[in-house]
Amino acid sequence: DAGITQSPRYKITETGRQVTLMCHQTWSHSYMFWYRQDLGHGLRLIYYSAAADITDKGEVPDGYVVSRSKTENFPLTLESATRSQTSVYFCASIGGAGGYTFGSGTRLTVV
Amino acid sequence: DQQVKQNSPSLSVQEGRISILNCDYTNSMFDYFLWYKKYPAEGPTFLISISSIKDKNEDGRFTVFLNKSAKHLSLHIVPSQPGDSAVYFCAASLNAGNNRKLIWGLGTSLAVNP
Repeated sequence: DAGITQSPRYKITETGRQVTLMCHQTWSHSYMFWYRQDLGHGLRLIYYSAAADITDKGEVPDGYVVSRSKTENFPLTLESATRSQTSVYFCASIGGAGGYTFGSGTRLTVV
Repeated sequence: DQQVKQNSPSLSVQEGRISILNCDYTNSMFDYFLWYKKYPAEGPTFLISISSIKDKNEDGRFTVFLNKSAKHLSLHIVPSQPGDSAVYFCAASLNAGNNRKLIWGLGTSLAVNP
Protein backbone atom coordinates (compact mmCIF):
# COMPACT_ATOMS: atom_id res chain seq x y z
CA ASP A 1 0.00 0.00 0.00
CA ALA A 2 1.22 3.46 -0.82
CA GLY A 3 1.75 5.76 2.10
CA ILE A 4 3.70 6.15 5.28
CA THR A 5 3.57 3.43 7.87
CA GLN A 6 4.83 3.31 11.42
CA SER A 7 5.49 0.27 13.55
CA PRO A 8 4.71 -0.78 16.12
CA ARG A 9 1.45 1.06 16.85
CA TYR A 10 1.83 0.47 20.57
CA LYS A 11 4.91 -0.34 22.61
CA ILE A 12 5.56 -0.77 26.31
CA THR A 13 9.18 -0.90 27.38
CA GLU A 14 11.14 -0.69 30.57
CA THR A 15 13.37 2.16 31.67
CA GLY A 16 16.87 1.74 30.35
CA ARG A 17 15.98 -0.48 27.42
CA GLN A 18 16.77 0.38 23.84
CA VAL A 19 13.76 0.63 21.57
CA THR A 20 13.46 1.41 17.87
CA LEU A 21 10.44 2.88 16.18
CA MET A 22 10.14 2.21 12.50
CA CYS A 23 8.93 4.48 9.73
CA HIS A 24 8.57 3.52 6.08
CA GLN A 25 7.30 5.61 3.16
CA THR A 26 6.56 4.42 -0.35
CA TRP A 27 6.84 7.69 -2.27
CA SER A 28 10.60 8.25 -2.20
CA HIS A 29 10.08 11.63 -0.57
CA SER A 30 13.38 13.26 0.29
CA TYR A 31 12.40 14.82 3.59
CA MET A 32 11.31 12.80 6.60
CA PHE A 33 10.62 13.87 10.16
CA TRP A 34 10.09 12.49 13.62
CA TYR A 35 7.81 14.31 16.04
CA ARG A 36 6.57 13.60 19.51
CA GLN A 37 3.21 14.80 20.73
CA ASP A 38 2.65 15.48 24.40
CA LEU A 39 -0.19 17.17 26.21
CA GLY A 40 0.55 20.87 26.53
CA HIS A 41 3.42 20.78 24.06
CA GLY A 42 1.82 20.05 20.73
CA LEU A 43 4.08 18.57 18.10
CA ARG A 44 7.79 18.85 18.77
CA LEU A 45 10.40 17.99 16.18
CA ILE A 46 12.94 15.39 17.30
CA TYR A 47 15.00 14.80 14.16
CA TYR A 48 14.61 15.26 10.47
CA SER A 49 16.34 14.06 7.35
CA ALA A 50 16.72 15.83 4.03
CA ALA A 51 17.86 12.70 2.17
CA ALA A 52 19.51 9.36 2.71
CA ASP A 53 22.51 9.72 5.01
CA ILE A 54 21.60 13.34 5.85
CA THR A 55 20.02 13.91 9.24
CA ASP A 56 19.76 16.88 11.58
CA LYS A 57 18.53 17.66 15.05
CA GLY A 58 15.21 19.21 15.76
CA GLU A 59 13.87 20.85 18.87
CA VAL A 60 14.14 17.91 21.29
CA PRO A 61 16.83 15.45 20.08
CA ASP A 62 18.37 14.40 23.39
CA GLY A 63 18.08 10.69 24.08
CA TYR A 64 17.23 9.83 20.48
CA VAL A 65 19.25 8.54 17.55
CA VAL A 66 18.20 8.33 13.91
CA SER A 67 19.61 6.85 10.75
CA ARG A 68 18.63 6.97 7.12
CA SER A 69 20.53 4.45 5.05
CA LYS A 70 17.65 4.17 2.55
CA THR A 71 15.34 6.93 1.36
CA GLU A 72 12.22 5.02 2.33
CA ASN A 73 13.14 4.19 5.93
CA PHE A 74 13.76 6.50 8.86
CA PRO A 75 14.01 4.60 12.15
CA LEU A 76 14.08 6.37 15.50
CA THR A 77 15.99 4.75 18.35
CA LEU A 78 15.74 5.51 22.02
CA GLU A 79 19.11 4.36 23.27
CA SER A 80 18.15 4.07 26.94
CA ALA A 81 14.46 4.76 27.40
CA THR A 82 13.30 7.06 30.19
CA ARG A 83 9.81 7.70 31.54
CA SER A 84 9.95 11.22 30.11
CA GLN A 85 10.03 9.62 26.66
CA THR A 86 6.56 8.21 27.14
CA SER A 87 4.72 9.89 24.29
CA VAL A 88 3.04 9.47 20.95
CA TYR A 89 5.57 9.53 18.12
CA PHE A 90 4.71 10.59 14.60
CA CYS A 91 6.76 10.12 11.50
CA ALA A 92 6.11 12.34 8.48
CA SER A 93 7.38 12.93 4.98
CA ILE A 94 6.96 15.84 2.65
CA GLY A 95 5.29 15.66 -0.70
CA GLY A 96 2.94 17.80 -2.72
CA ALA A 97 1.37 21.12 -1.95
CA GLY A 98 -0.11 19.80 1.24
CA GLY A 99 3.13 19.66 3.06
CA TYR A 100 3.60 16.84 5.49
CA THR A 101 1.98 13.45 5.32
CA PHE A 102 1.96 11.78 8.71
CA GLY A 103 1.96 8.18 9.79
CA SER A 104 -0.63 6.92 12.25
CA GLY A 105 1.72 7.21 15.18
CA THR A 106 3.36 4.96 17.75
CA ARG A 107 2.19 5.19 21.34
CA LEU A 108 5.21 4.44 23.51
CA THR A 109 4.97 3.84 27.23
CA VAL A 110 8.14 3.60 29.31
CA VAL A 111 7.59 1.96 32.69
CA ASP B 1 8.88 30.72 23.33
CA GLN B 2 5.91 29.76 21.24
CA GLN B 3 6.18 31.36 17.81
CA VAL B 4 2.81 30.01 16.71
CA LYS B 5 0.03 30.35 19.23
CA GLN B 6 -3.42 28.86 19.33
CA ASN B 7 -4.81 30.52 22.40
CA SER B 8 -8.04 28.57 22.57
CA PRO B 9 -7.40 24.98 23.67
CA SER B 10 -10.98 24.03 22.89
CA LEU B 11 -14.05 25.22 21.02
CA SER B 12 -17.61 23.91 20.95
CA VAL B 13 -20.14 24.78 18.25
CA GLN B 14 -23.51 23.56 17.09
CA GLU B 15 -23.87 21.57 13.91
CA GLY B 16 -24.61 23.83 10.96
CA ARG B 17 -23.03 26.91 12.55
CA ILE B 18 -19.68 28.47 11.77
CA SER B 19 -16.51 27.33 13.52
CA ILE B 20 -13.71 29.87 13.75
CA LEU B 21 -10.30 28.69 14.88
CA ASN B 22 -7.65 31.29 15.50
CA CYS B 23 -3.88 31.32 15.27
CA ASP B 24 -1.36 34.06 16.03
CA TYR B 25 2.30 34.13 15.15
CA THR B 26 5.23 36.24 16.22
CA ASN B 27 7.76 35.82 13.43
CA SER B 28 7.02 38.21 10.57
CA MET B 29 9.31 36.16 8.33
CA PHE B 30 6.82 33.30 8.17
CA ASP B 31 5.46 33.21 4.66
CA TYR B 32 3.47 30.01 4.44
CA PHE B 33 0.79 28.74 6.78
CA LEU B 34 -1.01 25.44 7.02
CA TRP B 35 -3.86 23.91 8.96
CA TYR B 36 -3.94 20.26 9.90
CA LYS B 37 -6.71 18.21 11.41
CA LYS B 38 -6.10 15.34 13.79
CA TYR B 39 -8.47 12.62 14.92
CA PRO B 40 -7.66 10.49 17.98
CA ALA B 41 -5.24 7.63 17.31
CA GLU B 42 -4.40 9.00 13.86
CA GLY B 43 -1.70 11.23 12.47
CA PRO B 44 -2.49 14.83 11.50
CA THR B 45 -3.83 15.30 7.99
CA PHE B 46 -3.41 18.36 5.82
CA LEU B 47 -6.47 20.55 5.54
CA ILE B 48 -5.67 23.85 3.85
CA SER B 49 -2.80 26.26 3.39
CA ILE B 50 -2.18 29.89 2.50
CA SER B 51 0.78 31.81 1.21
CA SER B 52 1.61 35.17 2.72
CA ILE B 53 0.97 36.82 -0.64
CA LYS B 54 -2.70 36.04 -0.22
CA ASP B 55 -5.22 37.02 2.41
CA LYS B 56 -7.76 34.30 1.77
CA ASN B 57 -7.87 30.74 0.53
CA GLU B 58 -10.99 28.66 0.22
CA ASP B 59 -11.57 24.96 -0.20
CA GLY B 60 -15.16 23.83 0.08
CA ARG B 61 -16.41 24.41 3.60
CA PHE B 62 -12.96 25.53 4.77
CA THR B 63 -11.59 29.04 4.40
CA VAL B 64 -8.38 30.40 5.83
CA PHE B 65 -7.91 34.14 6.32
CA LEU B 66 -4.54 35.77 6.82
CA ASN B 67 -4.02 39.19 8.37
CA LYS B 68 -0.31 39.88 8.07
CA SER B 69 -0.36 43.22 9.83
CA ALA B 70 -1.92 41.56 12.86
CA LYS B 71 0.12 38.36 12.45
CA HIS B 72 -3.11 36.46 12.69
CA LEU B 73 -4.81 33.75 10.72
CA SER B 74 -8.10 32.04 11.17
CA LEU B 75 -9.79 28.93 9.85
CA HIS B 76 -13.51 29.13 9.16
CA ILE B 77 -15.59 26.00 8.78
CA VAL B 78 -19.06 26.59 7.35
CA PRO B 79 -21.29 24.77 7.98
CA SER B 80 -19.76 22.76 10.80
CA GLN B 81 -20.48 19.05 10.85
CA PRO B 82 -20.06 16.48 13.64
CA GLY B 83 -17.31 14.82 11.58
CA ASP B 84 -15.30 18.02 11.92
CA SER B 85 -14.79 17.26 15.61
CA ALA B 86 -11.02 16.94 15.90
CA VAL B 87 -7.91 18.77 17.03
CA TYR B 88 -6.82 21.47 14.60
CA PHE B 89 -3.19 22.51 14.37
CA CYS B 90 -1.91 25.70 12.85
CA ALA B 91 1.63 25.59 11.44
CA ALA B 92 3.95 28.12 9.85
CA SER B 93 6.98 27.94 7.62
CA LEU B 94 9.76 30.10 6.28
CA ASN B 95 10.84 30.39 2.67
CA ALA B 96 7.45 29.35 1.29
CA GLY B 97 7.83 25.98 2.90
CA ASN B 98 11.04 25.21 1.07
CA ASN B 99 13.02 24.97 4.26
CA ARG B 100 10.76 22.04 5.03
CA LYS B 101 10.49 22.68 8.75
CA LEU B 102 7.19 23.70 10.24
CA ILE B 103 6.57 25.55 13.49
CA TRP B 104 3.43 24.22 15.14
CA GLY B 105 0.82 25.62 17.44
CA LEU B 106 -0.46 23.54 20.34
CA GLY B 107 -3.78 22.82 18.71
CA THR B 108 -7.44 23.61 19.31
CA SER B 109 -9.89 20.82 20.05
CA LEU B 110 -13.13 21.42 18.15
CA ALA B 111 -16.35 19.72 19.21
CA VAL B 112 -19.30 20.01 16.85
CA ASN B 113 -22.49 19.08 18.64
CA PRO B 114 -25.42 17.56 16.73
